[in-house]
Amino acid sequence: DTGVSQDPRHKITKRGQNVTFRCDPISEHNRLYWYRQTLGQGPEFLTYFQNEAQLEKSRLLSDRFSAERPKGSFSTLEIQRTEQGDSAMYLCASSLDGGIAKNIQYFGAGTRLSVL
Amino acid sequence: SQELEQSPQSLIVQEGKNLTINCTSSKTLYGLYWYKQKYGEGLIFLMMLQKGGEEKSHEKITAKLDEKKQQSSLHITASQPSHAGIYLCGADRDNQGGKLIFGQGTELSVKP
Repeated sequence: DTGVSQDPRHKITKRGQNVTFRCDPISEHNRLYWYRQTLGQGPEFLTYFQNEAQLEKSRLLSDRFSAERPKGSFSTLEIQRTEQGDSAMYLCASSLDGGIAKNIQYFGAGTRLSVL
Repeated sequence: SQELEQSPQSLIVQEGKNLTINCTSSKTLYGLYWYKQKYGEGLIFLMMLQKGGEEKSHEKITAKLDEKKQQSSLHITASQPSHAGIYLCGADRDNQGGKLIFGQGTELSVKP
């Protein structure tokens, strides 16, 4: 399977704990995106990388959130001091680089976070 | 308020019926993407539209982008239970091939 892979699929944590999610993009894709989705809503953009460079971060991404893509391959999203409002599905997507026509983003299955 | 408005928010149709989902923006859409999502899963890419007046079809699903590039529709012909799910439109508003903004989704149920 050469699609976008996310791990873990589900994470249950207690408020105040730190969590880290991993995303492995499609191998030839140099762009990687993180989105957050809550029930009944469409995905909201969090941040994206081109290779290892983080090109844009949403205002939604508080200082408790950090994302990395150290070698331009897989990426991690860490949430520190989790809050109940962080409960959501975290989606990762990847795409080629080259303008709109190549920006078809392929999504992983997501990591569902529940903060108790 | 949503930058992309989808209508209807939910839809229940009898198997075999046709249906249309709409996606509207007050601003120009430089790229319009349709995705399907099963509950609790990731998004599956359906089609991408870029030019005003463009229309694409795949199997029984047809997507159109209007001439002003502010409205798109997704039409399903002769719906089947396998079409059930959440349909999402996403758009590149910055014309940079980067982040997408999404509508809130349309939940489709198909009754056998």
